[in-house]
Amino acid sequence: KNEVEQSPQNLTAQEGEFITINCSYSVGISALHWLQQHPGGGIVSLFMLSSGKKKHGRLIATINIQEKHSSLHITASHPRDSAVYICAVRGNNDMRFGAGTRLTVKP
Amino acid sequence: DAGITQSPRHKVTETGTPVTLRCHQTENHRYMYWYRQDPGHGLRLIHYSYGVKDTDKGEVSDGYSVSRSKTEDFLLTLESATSSQTSVYFCAISEGPGQPYEQYFGPGTRLTVT
Repeated sequence: KNEVEQSPQNLTAQEGEFITINCSYSVGISALHWLQQHPGGGIVSLFMLSSGKKKHGRLIATINIQEKHSSLHITASHPRDSAVYICAVRGNNDMRFGAGTRLTVKP
Repeated sequence: DAGITQSPRHKVTETGTPVTLRCHQTENHRYMYWYRQDPGHGLRLIHYSYGVKDTDKGEVSDGYSVSRSKTEDFLLTLESATSSQTSVYFCAISEGPGQPYEQYFGPGTRLTVT
C-alpha cells in the first residue's frame, strides 16, 4: 500500500463545476503539499500546509491531521485548470508523493 | 520561478551506455534532489544532496550515482542504462530539509533507453 493515496485517479468535469480531490496518508508528516503538473511536465507548488485551511484564488486546501487526510477544492472550474494534481507529504528529510489525479475540465 | 535548469531535456540512448543528467540552480539552495516519475507511481526519490560532496540515497537509488562538486550543480549518472530506467527525471531544490521550506522543481528530462 502506498503511503500517500489520492482519489480519484482521473476526473472529468464541466466548466464551472466544484471539484474535490482527496489525499490520505499513513505516515507522520511535518507538512503536506499540493502540486500542479501541466501537460509539458512542469511542476509547481500550490499549497504547503500543516494544519487547517488555505485559500488562493479559486483553490482551497484543507488538512485534518488527526484523520491524516487532505482535500484540494477548485471552485468554478475552468479548462485552464486541466492538469495533474499531486499530493505530497513532507517528513523530516524527504517527501513522499501520491500518484496524482488527472483533471480534465471541459468547456 | 526558481532558477533551475536541467540538461538535456530529452535523450534517447541505448541499453548499456552511460548517461549523465545535469541539474543547475542559481538560487544557492543547500538541498538538491533527483526524482523519477513513472506512470502509476508518484515521484520517487533517487538521491539527494545536503551540501557540496554530501549526498545520500533515496527510495530507488539502485543503478544510479550522483555527484555534487559545486553548490549549483547536481549530476545524476546512470552507469549502464537499462530499459527500466526509461522515465522522466526531475531535479528539485530546497533551502532546507523539511517544513517550512518549499521544494522547487526543474522542467524535467525525458530519458528513453532502447
